[in-house]
Amino acid sequence: KQEVTQIPAALSVPEGENLVLNCSFTDSAIYNLQWFRQDPGKGLTSLLLIQSSQREQTSGRLNASLDKSSGRSTLYIAASQPGDSATYLCAVRGSQGNLIFGKGTKLSVKP
Amino acid sequence: DAGVIQSPRHEVTEMGQEVTLRCKPISGHDYLFWYRQTMMRGLELLIYFNNNVPIDDSGMPEDRFSAKMPNASFSTLKIQPSEPRDSAVYFCASSFPPISTDTQYFGPGTRLTVL
Repeated sequence: KQEVTQIPAALSVPEGENLVLNCSFTDSAIYNLQWFRQDPGKGLTSLLLIQSSQREQTSGRLNASLDKSSGRSTLYIAASQPGDSATYLCAVRGSQGNLIFGKGTKLSVKP
Repeated sequence: DAGVIQSPRHEVTEMGQEVTLRCKPISGHDYLFWYRQTMMRGLELLIYFNNNVPIDDSGMPEDRFSAKMPNASFSTLKIQPSEPRDSAVYFCASSFPPISTDTQYFGPGTRLTVL
């Protein structure tokens, strides 16, 4: 059974710092991996989607990498801003098409 | 497009009552998903539909939960009878095929509190 783990559970950094969020999964047979952002009381917004054949994806200050063989992904946020404060969720898509989520990393960027 | 629409946004009910959550997917999306989010268990898939047909309901916790999709633009998740442990945020999401590569678009969620 696929399990997704995110470390750390919470992270607090000063504004301007570069940071890395980690995601690991137990079964490497995935179609793709996605990183989502969730703001308090809101739904999820997709940030980056990495197909199983890809190694990384970039969008603005965000860069996500995928190492299927080791079951790991990282989300790199450059020059963090207070507006980046949110919970970041990693999800892998299995063979049946469903998404399996980690419990998230709650990020706080302090001015 | 207005995105995925869910109603109500908040629901407070008493144990034993029937609860119905509603979802309108993005037009043209063939896949619809129902998730539940709790602090203890995180986000879990309950059931998903393809072209209005339930494909995988293995995440539905028990017979008290049922979901329907009578047409391409509407789905319901019903809990009868409700229990305090059903308190959670319920999300609906939709997706355009192919399911293996496309992202899912989430609604704002329904926060359910069962007293």
